[in-house]
Amino acid sequence: GQQLNQSPQSMFIQEGEDVSMNCTSSSIFNTWLWYKQEPGEGPVLLIALYKAGELTSNGRLTAQFGITRKDSFLNISASIPSDVGIYFCAGPIYSGSARQLTFGSGTQLTVLP
Amino acid sequence: DVKVTQSSRYLVKRTGEKVFLECVQDMDHENMFWYRQDPGLGLRLIYFSYDVKMKEKGDIPEGYSVSREKKERFSLILESASTNQTSMYLCASTDTRRGRSHGYTFGSGTRLTVV
Repeated sequence: GQQLNQSPQSMFIQEGEDVSMNCTSSSIFNTWLWYKQEPGEGPVLLIALYKAGELTSNGRLTAQFGITRKDSFLNISASIPSDVGIYFCAGPIYSGSARQLTFGSGTQLTVLP
Repeated sequence: DVKVTQSSRYLVKRTGEKVFLECVQDMDHENMFWYRQDPGLGLRLIYFSYDVKMKEKGDIPEGYSVSREKKERFSLILESASTNQTSMYLCASTDTRRGRSHGYTFGSGTRLTVV
């Protein structure tokens, strides 16, 4: 199936630093989604992007829908300890009778005090 | 608050046992999904359902089956649990009637250990 290539796989950063992660695909997507999964919980939607070139913020988080529609970026500014978790990008694919999401492999973020 | 509830947070089962993982959503969503999550492999789709009594295989259906007798409930069944099915299992649901991909709502996960 369609694959999303997410990088980096893991990051160790100091509190206060900015973070950047990205997702690329060989296929065009009309929607990009970014999720965060905290330890011991299910993923939660952070930001949804619906238009090429769109830049959307949610607090210290900013995500962009790439112009080519084949990539997306997530930036976190001034990281804090509660930013720890796994961040996933996702995009919709159509398979069988239902629209479903395909996910990147995740970026594990560790914030050091 | 809308919710997807998975019946167990932690389960320990023996090899060969039949295991039921239950998921219930209160959002009247048509589509429900079961994923397993393993370190370095991300989220892999096991099965999904787009309506009551309807099901489709995902990317890794082997060793699993599902049941959707009511709209709000989607069960994952391990007919004969094996140690390689030790994993975190995540249930999700979504409503696509509005036409946009507003994303999934996930449950908190069930961490299954097969010994």
